[in-house]
Amino acid sequence: GAGVSQSPSNKVTEKGKDVELRCDPISGHTALYWYRQSLGQGLEFLIYFQGNSAPDKSGLPSDRFSAERTGGSVSTLTIQRTQQEDSAVYLCASSLNPLANTGELFFGEGSRLTVL
Amino acid sequence: KQEVTQIPAALSVPEGENLVLNCSFTDSAIYNLQWFRQDPGKGLTSLLLIQSSQREQTSGRLNASLDKSSGRSTLYIAASQPGDSATYLCAVSSGGYQKVTFGIGTKLQVIP
Repeated sequence: GAGVSQSPSNKVTEKGKDVELRCDPISGHTALYWYRQSLGQGLEFLIYFQGNSAPDKSGLPSDRFSAERTGGSVSTLTIQRTQQEDSAVYLCASSLNPLANTGELFFGEGSRLTVL
Repeated sequence: KQEVTQIPAALSVPEGENLVLNCSFTDSAIYNLQWFRQDPGKGLTSLLLIQSSQREQTSGRLNASLDKSSGRSTLYIAASQPGDSATYLCAVSSGGYQKVTFGIGTKLQVIP
């Protein structure tokens, strides 16, 4: 696609429910990042995928968070048993392989999650 | 661990002024530095990317400089306009696979 696409743009859920957030990166981009941005805070790294390499999951805040990337393209971030502190904007970014290119990041519009 | 700091946290200027936003980072072994703009409720828009071998990049009224040895970058905005009002974020790529670390940003308000 022309840009990074994220869905849903807004999600309101009840505490304890599971949610899935989707990211469709720019075609041909092998690197994909998930970040979380809480109100008034900076971007918090969550997870990084690059091609077929094992993802860097070092930023995932708890075992309730998981992410996968199928076929090297679309990625899904899953939050199980959501808590109110999970409320934030979840941003996805993609780039060409940073080891062979400039590594310029392109972001989606984000998914705003509200946990009641 | 790379840490990125942006000063000031907020800035309010009258229209037409030239201004400088600052970014500092702790690990000078970077691959690139990228400046972004974020409007309220929106994603991040890439403004400029400076690779580690470069000293500056220019795009229109924007000029970004990089001094790796001192761990600093500046974003210069000439002749500011109300449409420049946004949060500006600095991001540094470093480490084994070029992990990207962000600063908290500078919230800019340009007053007409």
